[in-house]
Amino acid sequence: DVKVTQSSRYLVKRTGEKVFLECVQDMDHENMFWYRQDPGLGLRLIYFSYDVKMKEKGDIPEGYSVSREKKERFSLILESASTNQTSMYLCASSTGRDSSYEQYFGPGTRLTVT
Amino acid sequence: AQKVTQAQTEISVVEKEDVTLDCVYETRDTTYYLFWYKQPPSGELVFLIRRNSFDEQNEISGRYSWNFQKSTSSFNFTITASQVVDSAVYFCALSEGGGTDKLIFGTGTRLQVFP
Repeated sequence: DVKVTQSSRYLVKRTGEKVFLECVQDMDHENMFWYRQDPGLGLRLIYFSYDVKMKEKGDIPEGYSVSREKKERFSLILESASTNQTSMYLCASSTGRDSSYEQYFGPGTRLTVT
Repeated sequence: AQKVTQAQTEISVVEKEDVTLDCVYETRDTTYYLFWYKQPPSGELVFLIRRNSFDEQNEISGRYSWNFQKSTSSFNFTITASQVVDSAVYFCALSEGGGTDKLIFGTGTRLQVFP
């Protein structure tokens, strides 16, 4: 079974803090994704990565950065957390070069910024 | 622009009822893929099905069935004889073929099945 794990299920941070969300997959997938999920908005893509050290912006990259130093690990960084970044963050991975393949999701990290 | 619409925000049914979740999509491409995911209260999205744009055959998997109709740009999901364990948020998603990378999600339909 594909397993995607995220470092925390719940996280509370203060405004202005630097926040790291970690995601690890164990199936040697090339592609990894970070989404945020907000009520009424569905899932929105923040960043994705095709390969180690490769990254591309999704639909809402502002205020975020990512890092992929190893194939299995994809980190989402909030450089200076703000209250409007309070959300559920979901990491996913998939095989294949394009998104015609299904994505496998982690359990999510619910981040609260106070 | 590509878009996925799930007009039903929330549906409530009683156990054993059949329920259909609607999904309407928009795309300019002739090659694309459609997906359904289930998000139970635990939060993790679970992949249910993928269908490519050239395969309009309906799919049945146990109590689940999917109806893909290109003429109406719809990919509806029916649960037969619903159970309490079916309670979840269900997402429909669209991906274009040909090397593009984004998976475009609908806003989801919350299904509550009461005993």
